[in-house]
Amino acid sequence: QKEVEQNSGPLSVPEGAIASLNCTYSDRGSQSFFWYRQYSGKSPELIMFIYSNGDKEDGRFTAQLNKASQYVSLLIRDSQPSDSATYLCAVYGGSNYKLTFGKGTLLTVNP
Amino acid sequence: DTAVSQTPKYLVTQMGNDKSIKCEQNLGHDTMYWYKQDSKKFLKIMFSYNNKELIINETVPNRFSPKSPDKAHLNLHINSLELGDSAVYFCASSQGPLNYEQYFGPGTRLTVT
Repeated sequence: QKEVEQNSGPLSVPEGAIASLNCTYSDRGSQSFFWYRQYSGKSPELIMFIYSNGDKEDGRFTAQLNKASQYVSLLIRDSQPSDSATYLCAVYGGSNYKLTFGKGTLLTVNP
Repeated sequence: DTAVSQTPKYLVTQMGNDKSIKCEQNLGHDTMYWYKQDSKKFLKIMFSYNNKELIINETVPNRFSPKSPDKAHLNLHINSLELGDSAVYFCASSQGPLNYEQYFGPGTRLTVT
């Protein structure tokens, strides 16, 4: 069973702090890794993707991938109240065309 | 312009009825998906079509039948609706079936009473 695990939270950080969201996956053959943000009552919105080991930065967001540890994370710098949402980690396994989602981490940024 | 659109946005119906949800994408993508998000917010793949061909068919009741008339459209028909079918159904699309980023529609909230 291919699984993607996330801490469900809620993760609460003060405005301006760094929020760190973590995700582990079980399928060593996984090739692509995605972070989606989902506001309450809205659809998932793709915010980052990463394919290679290391860091990938886009504005205030940094995705980190460590395939040896089967670990992917998302850092949000200078967190804003508008970042308050559920963050979904998704992993593409490669052999079956399926994107497997974690259950999401609820992030709350307090003003 | 909306990239991935779904109709209807809300659907309230009684047990035993048959209903359809429609999805359209104007991104020029080849691959489309149906996901179900339950009350615990867990998002799970149901079906996927690549250029009108079914490539993912998860273990869902055969009361659920997808149809792709062309690569820009993917519809979901549900027969004999049950209480447990209540959920938010999301359509998504991607450039292709392998490794590509998926973009989601706004969702259809189905409530079965």
